[in-house]
This record gives sequence, structure tokens and C-alpha cells, in this order.
Amino acid sequence: DTAVSQTPKYLVTQMGNDKSIKCEQNLGHDTMYWYKQDSKKFLKIMFSYNNKELIINETVPNRFSPKSPDKAHLNLHINSLELGDSAVYFCASSSAIGYTGELFFGEGSRLTVL
Amino acid sequence: DQQVKQNSPSLSVQEGRISILNCDYTNSMFDYFLWYKKYPAEGPTFLISISSIKDKNEDGRFTVFLNKSAKHLSLHIVPSQPGDSAVYFCAASEGAQKLVFGQGTRLTINP
Repeated sequence: DTAVSQTPKYLVTQMGNDKSIKCEQNLGHDTMYWYKQDSKKFLKIMFSYNNKELIINETVPNRFSPKSPDKAHLNLHINSLELGDSAVYFCASSSAIGYTGELFFGEGSRLTVL
Repeated sequence: DQQVKQNSPSLSVQEGRISILNCDYTNSMFDYFLWYKKYPAEGPTFLISISSIKDKNEDGRFTVFLNKSAKHLSLHIVPSQPGDSAVYFCAASEGAQKLVFGQGTRLTINP
């Protein structure tokens, strides 16, 4: 039973399209994140939500819009896709109580923009 | 501006020997440091962590050392096993809920 699951795992699309990546966690955590792993392999935080409220937004273009319908879900919608959006996107969650920095990651969603 | 850096993209170690992975950081306000391990086609998984008030934390074969004056931490794995072959990410946080990751070091354990 996967703790943090993302769909789809692979996504190939054309420039200019709009796409979404979904994330769900069954750990009962209060906080969820989106990270982007770019071509240089750094994992960079994009967004963080705590109980459906946005708490971190790291200078991400407004073409990226996260949506959290409830604390178990954090979806990422990307408008007008660009070549530079090609990356692996990781969803993660953590417990807000006694937070120690331990994040639980999904398997990643590899987005390729042609 | 990368606040957490892992300057070795790869490391190859013989099975049974010690693996030492290094990480440098620039932000003196970081108060918690972690190591994550990542296998291909999987997300990173938490391995071990250390608070800035300590200089060493040990968990089985894994030990993390923190040198605050040098802004450096290292992960020691001893003895190294084939299953340890993975990419290892160093991460640091300042306060709550925002981890800054390095770019990872690919560790290969040779039989």
C-alpha cells in the first residue's frame, strides 16, 4: 500500500499544452510538497501546503498552480508547458507535529516537453 | 545560489570497505541536516539525520558527522554492501518544513 502516490509516472507532451500531476498520501500527514529535480539533479522545493493552505511558494512561474482539495491530496497543474519544464516532479509529505525534516516522497513523475 | 553542495557526483567503493560521502553548506542558520537515499525510478527515502546541536549521530552501519565551523557534514557507511549502491542526497533545513537538497552523489559498491 503506497504511502505517497503520484500519477502519472511518465508524461510526454507538446509545448504549449496544459497538464496535471496528481498526488495522494495515506500517512495522515498535515503537510505536502512539490519538488522539482532538474537536469542538474538538484531537488528544489516548489510548493508546500499545510492543511490545504499554501505556506511555501518558491519563485515558481505562475503557470504552475498547486491545488489541495484536502490535506491528503496535492495536485500540480501546469499551463502553457515550456521545454524548460521537462524534469522529474516529486510529491512529498511530512507530519507537522514534531517535524524533523523527514519527508516521505512519491516515486516521481517524469515530464518531457517536446 | 546553491546553499547545499555535494561536490562528488560519484563514488566507487569496494564491498566491505568504508564509504564516505561529503556535503558542504553555506547557510549558518541551518539547524537540521539529513541524508536521503534514492534508488532508480523511486523517490528519495530518509536515511539518517542530525541536529545542529550534535556533531555525530549513528544508526547501525550509518554515521553522520557534522562540523559546524567548516559547514561540512559527511555520511559514513561501514561496512559497505552492494545494496547501498544508490544516489545519496544531503539536505538541510532552517526552521520548519523547507528542506534544501544537494545534487546527490552516486555511490557504487563493487563486489
